[in-house]
Amino acid sequence: EAQVTQNPRYLITVTGKKLTVTCSQNMNHEYMSWYRQDPGLGLRQIYYSMNVEVTDKGDVPEGYKVSRKEKRNFPLILESPSPNQTSLYFCASSLRGAPAYGYTFGSGTRLTVV
Amino acid sequence: ILNVEQSPQSLHVQEGDSTNFTCSFPSSNFYALHWYRWETAKSPEALFVMTLNGDEKKKGRISATLNTKEGYSYLYIKGSQPEDSATYLCALLITSGTYKYIFGTGTRLKVLA
Repeated sequence: EAQVTQNPRYLITVTGKKLTVTCSQNMNHEYMSWYRQDPGLGLRQIYYSMNVEVTDKGDVPEGYKVSRKEKRNFPLILESPSPNQTSLYFCASSLRGAPAYGYTFGSGTRLTVV
Repeated sequence: ILNVEQSPQSLHVQEGDSTNFTCSFPSSNFYALHWYRWETAKSPEALFVMTLNGDEKKKGRISATLNTKEGYSYLYIKGSQPEDSATYLCALLITSGTYKYIFGTGTRLKVLA
């Protein structure tokens, strides 16, 4: 089944403890992206990747890192999480360099930083 | 700052009622508009990809229209059912040297049985 797999679904962590949220897609998509969803705000892009070894900042990149060593994987790294990073996170992918045909989304990760 | 506005923010309708809501966007540098359906505790799923002025798309009881000159798209649901309850998101893809993809904040629909 074509999908974007995101883990974990739920995570509670403490301030400053490094964490990684994994994202993997099996559709050979070139473009992958991370978003966060906060109440009252639209989905905001954190980072995106046009292809392997090509990543760039989105609208809200502060406090996050990403890597794209393989086409299928695009992990999101929080080196030193803070409470303002408590949010619902989505990984998404699309076939080409811009989501001209829309995204396929992962199932989301609800992160709480205490 | 580019803004994609959706209205209303939320609405409740009775089962069987038809309803519609709006996505408004700046019309310059338009490339595509997408509609997503986002059920609670799930992830957004693509509904429609719209690219041409005057586009009309339909999937079952749900349809959408696009006016790129005036910068709006309507989503219609005919004969709403409880399973239509979800947040409906629109997203604008523009090109101005580089691509930019902007989500609206969504319209939350609740269909009452």
